Amino acid sequence: QSALTQPASVSGSPGQSITISCTGTSSDVGGYNYVSWYQQHPGKAPKLMIYDVSNRPSGVSNRFSGSKSGNTASLTISGLQAEDEADYYCSSYTSSSTLEGVFGTGTKVTVL
Amino acid sequence: EVQLVESGGGLVQPGRSLRLSCAASGFTFDDYAMHWVRQAPGKGLEWVSGISWNSGSIGYADSVKGRFTISRDNAKNSLYLQMNSLRAEDTALYYCAKDIQEGIVVAAFDYWGQGTLVTVSS
Repeated sequence: QSALTQPASVSGSPGQSITISCTGTSSDVGGYNYVSWYQQHPGKAPKLMIYDVSNRPSGVSNRFSGSKSGNTASLTISGLQAEDEADYYCSSYTSSSTLEGVFGTGTKVTVL
Repeated sequence: EVQLVESGGGLVQPGRSLRLSCAASGFTFDDYAMHWVRQAPGKGLEWVSGISWNSGSIGYADSVKGRFTISRDNAKNSLYLQMNSLRAEDTALYYCAKDIQEGIVVAAFDYWGQGTLVTVSS
């Protein structure tokens, strides 16, 4: 159960687009279309932004989009805004024999 | 409105036990898998354990396997985490989280509680 690999930090200017990668293995990201993404502001509980690789829950801005290629999933934030500055985590279902989940290492997004 | 309210955290000595509870409301509890996720101070999220809607499927992170036990009482709309043989590295904010898909486990969490803090220290 190794954590999924994310870059420690990503930054961008307001209005720009940024992409956060999430690299796993064929046993998690590459094996299931159950990748999700979470936004966490300091002192707050995480908020689901993307599920099933590319689906947005109701109420989440369409500036957030997800995709997957092989063992790597990606979250793209377009039209970056100040309120997007937060920590972001990916997650994946990871086992067919027992119920398991795994999170990514987390990425700090800074809006310059 | 979906609500998840954790309780049971506190300061405990290494080697001792603690039982966390999560009271759920605002949705049909016995239709969804539930999970515990923790976050050590200043660190990232770690999936701890999950349980299917009917308790037929249960899983644990390697870091807690053999020490923690997850359970649920659908009649009481409640989720539990029995934590034994606690270690300093178990110190964290423990979140209860609802799985997004009805009937199956996908380990995607659409609702979270505010967490209960567990501190393991002598």
